[in-house]
Amino acid sequence: QQQVKQSPQSLIVQKGGISIINCAYENTAFDYFPWYQQFPGKGPALLIAIRPDVSEKKEGRFTISFNKSAKQFSLHIMDSQPGDSATYFCAASNTGTASKLTFGTGTRLQVTL
Amino acid sequence: DAGITQSPRHKVTETGTPVTLRCHQTENHRYMYWYRQDPGHGLRLIHYSYGVKDTDKGEVSDGYSVSRSKTEDFLLTLESATSSQTSVYFCAISEGRNSKSEQFFGPGTRLTVL
Repeated sequence: QQQVKQSPQSLIVQKGGISIINCAYENTAFDYFPWYQQFPGKGPALLIAIRPDVSEKKEGRFTISFNKSAKQFSLHIMDSQPGDSATYFCAASNTGTASKLTFGTGTRLQVTL
Repeated sequence: DAGITQSPRHKVTETGTPVTLRCHQTENHRYMYWYRQDPGHGLRLIHYSYGVKDTDKGEVSDGYSVSRSKTEDFLLTLESATSSQTSVYFCAISEGRNSKSEQFFGPGTRLTVL
């Protein structure tokens, strides 16, 4: 059972464009929603995270939008750059249960010149 | 990689042999996790530990066992490796408290079972 569904599987965006990745979750007990960025041959690294008490969080060019009623959250990358080319994973956890993360299946982003 | 090392980084083994992967941290974090990463599946939790000698199963624990005898070390053992366990394995650590739920990941171990 996939508790966190992520789309699209892959994404090609031109330099300077906006990249949007969407996730939906099922478990209403989730209370922490991070996004991880992974480069080839490396481990995932936390990019940005949000808790359900806010609807949006922005850090530089990266923004998480959160819709609690729809059980959906998304990552927006503004002014996408070739260096943003990586695989992005959304995740969710219930911080009361050892913070175990449930991951989406990943989105491979390619930013072209 | 936040003071996390994994060893070995690459391993090729044969079906039926035992394999142990090691995760070592220097951050003194309470929680440690083992995930496997496979195409189309993202990362899936195998086992986790919430303290020395305290471990619990994750989503895909069949065929795996773990041990944690010291805060800094978390071992993942495949008692009898199968081809379906060919994967990239990641260790992660976390302080685990509500305000500090971030998980930091190690560099990974690529395991091939022939």
